[in-house]
Amino acid sequence: QVQLQESGPGLVKPPQTLSLTCTVSGGTISGGGYYWNWIRQHPGKGLEWIGYIYYRGSTYYNPSLKSRVTISVDTSKNQFSLKLSSVTAADTAVYYCARADYDSDLDWYFDLWGRGTLVTVSS
Amino acid sequence: QSVLTQPPSVSGAPGQRVTISCTGSSSNIGAGYDVHWYQQLPGTAPKLLIYANTNRPSGVPDRFSGSKSGTSASLAITGLQAEDEADYYCQSYDSSLSGSVFGGGTKLTVL
Repeated sequence: QVQLQESGPGLVKPPQTLSLTCTVSGGTISGGGYYWNWIRQHPGKGLEWIGYIYYRGSTYYNPSLKSRVTISVDTSKNQFSLKLSSVTAADTAVYYCARADYDSDLDWYFDLWGRGTLVTVSS
Repeated sequence: QSVLTQPPSVSGAPGQRVTISCTGSSSNIGAGYDVHWYQQLPGTAPKLLIYANTNRPSGVPDRFSGSKSGTSASLAITGLQAEDEADYYCQSYDSSLSGSVFGGGTKLTVL
């Protein structure tokens, strides 16, 4: 079955750029029909949607993070990536990649999640 | 403060029924956007529990059910089991914020 796996540095210094990659196995990103997302969870807190990319490259970001976020896709490697610039301690969180199915353009839900990776921002 | 409001905690004894509410507004649930629910067991990633208000993915027991009315939605769990102890989150789209939003989460304790 389809699985998602996050990878990347666990420690990032401020104000550097956080970079994570999500590798999709058991299925293909370029098959279409899904949005590929990043979601984060601050320690002991709730979930925050960061944004998604469609396999053709179109993106949709959380407006509160939009100025610092870039999500890209590499269909040849079946991967999509997150870059978050100018990080601070407030960006310390568990970062999840997730697949989203949708009934309409704005009604999407996350039907498959990676296990998550903790990224700590500290000098 | 989350756009979707959930009670911080609920509890129930094994076998009982509990409900978790998710209260929104006219820019999200009240606007007709779907509500989805997730279960997050301790130390694990969230798992889709209910999608599009009332639908269960394959493999989710029918003890879990969802409903939606007006600007609110609810998750009901019947026949409570110890393994149901987890955090539960609702999610929808918000047109004012132009993005997907989550509730603050509800911790379910099985007494």
